[in-house]
Amino acid sequence: GENVEQHPSTLSVQEGDSAVIKCTYSDSASNYFPWYKQELGKGPQLIIDIRSNVGEKKDQRIAVTLNKTAKHFSLHITETQPEDSAVYFCAATLRGRRALTFGSGTRLQVQP
Amino acid sequence: KAGVTQTPRYLIKTRGQQVTLSCSPISGHRSVSWYQQTPGQGLQFLFEYFSETQRNKGNFPGRFSGRQFSNSRSEMNVSTLELGDSALYLCASSLDLQGGSGNTIYFGEGSWLTVV
Repeated sequence: GENVEQHPSTLSVQEGDSAVIKCTYSDSASNYFPWYKQELGKGPQLIIDIRSNVGEKKDQRIAVTLNKTAKHFSLHITETQPEDSAVYFCAATLRGRRALTFGSGTRLQVQP
Repeated sequence: KAGVTQTPRYLIKTRGQQVTLSCSPISGHRSVSWYQQTPGQGLQFLFEYFSETQRNKGNFPGRFSGRQFSNSRSEMNVSTLELGDSALYLCASSLDLQGGSGNTIYFGEGSWLTVV
């Protein structure tokens, strides 16, 4: 089955700096890669997603890049703010299978 | 538009008991899936339902089961509870159209289950 690895497990940045979280996946048949933000006591909130026919997608301060050849994708957050502090999860799903395989999560702390 | 709604939010059960969790998907969403989240194992897929049929299943024992009703609402049941079943159980829904944004998956706030 699919396996998703996520790094780093924790990330501390100063407010205004950029943060980058990286994930690799194992199955080349995966075609959908969402990113979720989870705050304490809440469910995962979708922040951005990318499909395998696209190399990069941006939404204001958040961007995701996908390298299908290397089977890795990354989340980039620019101009970080304290409210960006949360746990971020990457995920992948195989074509035709509606089940997400999640990475282990990255705890991002933005220091004011 | 209301999001994915899960009930109850918190519950405590005793080992050996059974529990039923409920989920109402986003209006119009036809696919409902369930995930278990624990500190040790992270987020793991349990099963997915569409049109009252289980389409996908994760690697969980038969004590974990679910169903979907004609209005797309779903329930999951865990029988003979074990201490290790203590977790956040998350329901997610998707519009499930062919292509486009149909596969975008949205999560509820979860049901916190503690087994004592």
